[in-house]
Amino acid sequence: AQSVTQPDIHITVSEGASLELRCNYSYGATPYLFWYVQSPGQGLQLLLKYFSGDTLVQGIKGFEAEFKRSQSSFNLRKPSVHWSDAAEYFCAVGTGGTSYGKLTFGQGTILTVHP
Amino acid sequence: GAVVSQHPSWVICKSGTSVKIECRSLDFQATTMFWYRQFPKQSLMLMATSNEGSKATYEQGVEKDKFLINHASLTLSTLTVTSAHPEDSSFYICSARQAVAKNIQYFGAGTRLSVL
Repeated sequence: AQSVTQPDIHITVSEGASLELRCNYSYGATPYLFWYVQSPGQGLQLLLKYFSGDTLVQGIKGFEAEFKRSQSSFNLRKPSVHWSDAAEYFCAVGTGGTSYGKLTFGQGTILTVHP
Repeated sequence: GAVVSQHPSWVICKSGTSVKIECRSLDFQATTMFWYRQFPKQSLMLMATSNEGSKATYEQGVEKDKFLINHASLTLSTLTVTSAHPEDSSFYICSARQAVAKNIQYFGAGTRLSVL
């Protein structure tokens, strides 16, 4: 079965600093990978996705992520964090086959931004 | 585009009563909708997958008689928590996907259920 691990439960950065959120996945085939952001009490907003092709994907709000097959990773990055980026971030893997399109989420990483 | 509306956003009910949560795709036809449950400070756990016009498929450990899912149209799915108990208190989130772009799910804002 597929799984997603986000090793960092909570990350704190200063506004303007760079950010990297880690995500490792386990899946037997080529994965579909996603990063979502959730503000308190809200649903999830899709930041970016990887299906195939260029391993560096660009998303909304200045985020990007790089798929590294050899490391089974899909880390999220942003060069300069804004206070409004404070939220919880979820990495997810989408499956194929009989479970086509189902998402398995990581545990989430809470991002705190200091002024 | 691709907006999913979930209603209500917050509901409080007495133990033993039933609660219905609606999930609507506002600007697209959702052939499949998903229902998730999220406990405080935890990730989303898939409860069930519903395809329009057919019975929902429940994940292992989810009581289908307690969590009734109906997906009667291409824009509406409902989750009814029957005979709710305090342990059912949680944050419930729905998502929807189109017939095309099947790997992309669009999420509602969630419903916080508190059972007294």
